[in-house]
Amino acid sequence: EAGVAQSPRYKIIEKRQSVAFWCNPISGHATLYWYQQILGQGPKLLIQFQNNGVVDDSQLPKDRFSAERLKGVDSTLKIQPAKLEDSAVYLCASSPTRGSLAGGRRKTYNEQFFGPGTRLTVL
Amino acid sequence: KQEVTQIPAALSVPEGENLVLNCSFTDSAIYNLQWFRQDPGKGLTSLLLIQSSQREQTSGRLNASLDKSSGRSTLYIAASQPGDSATYLCAVNDYKLSFGAGTTVTVRA
Repeated sequence: EAGVAQSPRYKIIEKRQSVAFWCNPISGHATLYWYQQILGQGPKLLIQFQNNGVVDDSQLPKDRFSAERLKGVDSTLKIQPAKLEDSAVYLCASSPTRGSLAGGRRKTYNEQFFGPGTRLTVL
Repeated sequence: KQEVTQIPAALSVPEGENLVLNCSFTDSAIYNLQWFRQDPGKGLTSLLLIQSSQREQTSGRLNASLDKSSGRSTLYIAASQPGDSATYLCAVNDYKLSFGAGTTVTVRA
């Protein structure tokens, strides 16, 4: 089974430039996540998609970050304009389903599988 | 807001010694807890996932325990090898994953 694919692996840009990252999740995985990992910290969730709909984007800096998953498969994350503090690794993850509290009974939140990440350096 | 803490931040042991990595979290209302491994410049590899109803999970030399009431999980790695050198992250799922900062492990040959 192919894993989560991301490109590019590395990107160096000047501040105020724009950049885009691409992610292809594991085939059949309905849920897709974008994380930001700053050096020395754990990943922080930026946005979560269920199929092509946004479930959670509460921590996405919407003045400069945008993401889409138009056909419910691939996703792109864009930064425009970039700032120095955006230097980080951007990780994409996917999982088969998303749990819910349907009928008061908890379902299982499935395991997340991560891609290799894109290392962004903003100069 | 869920806070996840991993102590120590770094650990160096001789080959063959058992590793004990600690993770604590502030809100016990979780669905599951996941342990990951991250090699330098790489993404995250899932090691173990413990459901909230479970007390422990084992895979080969790895064993993870979960005590929800005290907000703790421990990852044990038996008979460490130089190939175990990496950063280990725990993540708590309470509708979304909240990560600790990780423990960087060095196993000396």
